[in-house]
Amino acid sequence: AQKITQTQPGMFVQEKEAVTLDCTYDTSDQSYGLFWYKQPSSGEMIFLIYQGSYDEQNATEGRYSLNFQKARKSANLVISASQLGDSAMYFCAMREGRETSGSRLTFGEGTQLTVNP
Amino acid sequence: NAGVTQTPKFQVLKTGQSMTLQCAQDMNHEYMSWYRQDPGMGLRLIHYSVGAGITDQGEVPNGYNVSRSTTEDFPLRLLSAAPSQTSVYFCASSYNGGDGGYGYTFGSGTRLTVV
Repeated sequence: AQKITQTQPGMFVQEKEAVTLDCTYDTSDQSYGLFWYKQPSSGEMIFLIYQGSYDEQNATEGRYSLNFQKARKSANLVISASQLGDSAMYFCAMREGRETSGSRLTFGEGTQLTVNP
Repeated sequence: NAGVTQTPKFQVLKTGQSMTLQCAQDMNHEYMSWYRQDPGMGLRLIHYSVGAGITDQGEVPNGYNVSRSTTEDFPLRLLSAAPSQTSVYFCASSYNGGDGGYGYTFGSGTRLTVV
């Protein structure tokens, strides 16, 4: 069963505008973590933001924020004031449980974001 | 700060050959893992380790072996390469941040082609 779903294969946004990338997840664990990664065309995986299942406030990191709706099992990434350098593939990922499962992430299939000038 | 170092960056193998992808981290992280990324897809877990001497299978373990004799190193062995193993391989290390946040660091990847 697919545990991370990213329904937007591709998204386009104008420079300086905000964009939301969707992510829904499925888990029966009470403790889990949600991540967003950026993968530019050069191929490296760049960590953007993390949200723990018990965190009451939405995570923010600079221009990135995570819209966490636990009841709906969604963890959407919001990028404010898009820049040309934001053009990349974006992956949502989940870590289920705690402790010994800490090294296992499940990834979605990604959303290709293109920022237009 | 080296972080996670993967070698080689590129490799071409013939079907049936064996090889080892190297992964080393210098952050004293407890956890290490290997993922593969096929075109247009997300990363899938091959094997992982929660500490020296402890390894376990991930989602797609067939055709790969791992061992973890030290905290720093986590090599991935392809026993008999097949074209289906053509992929980009990422090694990652992580730790339990105590507050529930896990810091994951990925290597730069190894692009493997099996012909």
